[in-house]
Amino acid sequence: AQSVTQPDIHITVSEGASLELRCNYSYGATPYLFWYVQSPGQGLQLLLKYFSGDTLVQGIKGFEAEFKRSQSSFNLRKPSVHWSDAAEYFCAAGSRGFKTIFGAGTRLFVKA
Amino acid sequence: DTGVSQNPRHKITKRGQNVTFRCDPISEHNRLYWYRQTLGQGPEFLTYFQNEAQLEKSRLLSDRFSAERPKGSFSTLEIQRTEQGDSAMYLCASSLGDREGEQFFGPGTRLTVL
Repeated sequence: AQSVTQPDIHITVSEGASLELRCNYSYGATPYLFWYVQSPGQGLQLLLKYFSGDTLVQGIKGFEAEFKRSQSSFNLRKPSVHWSDAAEYFCAAGSRGFKTIFGAGTRLFVKA
Repeated sequence: DTGVSQNPRHKITKRGQNVTFRCDPISEHNRLYWYRQTLGQGPEFLTYFQNEAQLEKSRLLSDRFSAERPKGSFSTLEIQRTEQGDSAMYLCASSLGDREGEQFFGPGTRLTVL
């Protein structure tokens, strides 16, 4: 069955520290992969996406993600976290003609 | 471009009542999606339209749920005979058909069924 797993329900990092959010997927073929961010009262905003090609993708707000086919992973990273990055982050997988599947999300807390 | 809008933002209703939500997608987007999101979970796919055609429906979409997109622009999601288990955030998203999956989300409608 198709699924997206985000192993960490919540993560706390200090402001200025680096961040890595984990995402694993199970899919019939290499899917399109996405990371979205959701702040309270806001809709989901696309941070970055992977369709094909370079496995390291750059997104908005200084985020990047690396696709690793051998590990079925698409982890999100940021070298230096800002307090405004506190939010819920969702990894998602989809492919042409099929619905997009979301993980359960990882809530990021940033401490001063 | 004003983004995807949803109305109302909040809806409180009593069990057994019918409710209807509206979604206005980004104007040039031909695909429109509905999702349901409960606390602590990611969005769960309900249904999607390409123009006015409803192409896929999730098993989550019971016969009490119906969605329409009559002119290929805005869409409505109706829930009949609401149940407490229907309490959730209902999200709408839109995309261009040739950029499958790159979806733009609205702020959602939060439904509370008492």
